[in-house]
Amino acid sequence: GENVEQHPSTLSVQEGDSAVIKCTYSDSASNYFPWYKQELGKRPQLIIDIRSNVGEKKDQRIAVTLNKTAKHFSLHITETQPEDSAVYFCAARSGGSNYKLTFGKGTLLTVNP
Amino acid sequence: GAVVSQHPSWVICKSGTSVKIECRSLDFQATTMFWYRQFPKQSLMLMATSNEGSKATYEQGVEKDKFLINHASLTLSTLTVTSAHPEDSSFYICSASGHSGNTIYFGEGSWLTVV
Repeated sequence: GENVEQHPSTLSVQEGDSAVIKCTYSDSASNYFPWYKQELGKRPQLIIDIRSNVGEKKDQRIAVTLNKTAKHFSLHITETQPEDSAVYFCAARSGGSNYKLTFGKGTLLTVNP
Repeated sequence: GAVVSQHPSWVICKSGTSVKIECRSLDFQATTMFWYRQFPKQSLMLMATSNEGSKATYEQGVEKDKFLINHASLTLSTLTVTSAHPEDSSFYICSASGHSGNTIYFGEGSWLTVV
């Protein structure tokens, strides 16, 4: 099955700096890669996603890049703010009909004022 | 966007009893629902995939007789934790996708504490 590795497990940045979180996946048939932000005790919130036919996608301060050849994708947050502090999960959806998501282990991002 | 509602948001039960958690898609038909368990400071671990009108598919290591899943309609899936034990205490969360499966929406999650 699919295996998703996520790094780093913790990331601390100063307000205004950029943050980058990287993930790799194993199943070359995976075709959908969402990123979720989860605050303590709450549901994961989809913040951005990318499909396998696209190399990069941007939404204001958030961007995601995908390298299908290397099977890795990254989340970039620019001009970080304290409210960006949360746990971020990457995920990969394998091909096939069940649309199952496999999650990375998460990255605890702390943005220091 | 699409809404997935989960109930209850938190529950405390005695060891040995059973607890049912509901997951509803409020404005779309969910052909597939997923149940996850999340322990503190850990990632979401998929427990099972629930398909409307058929048996759930369980992930390796998840006891199907302990975690009963029923997906009787296109808008409702239930997870029943049977004979709960303290080690079952966790955050349980469902997600749902529509016919296209392009986007997956999460429920609010349910905190289960077994005492």
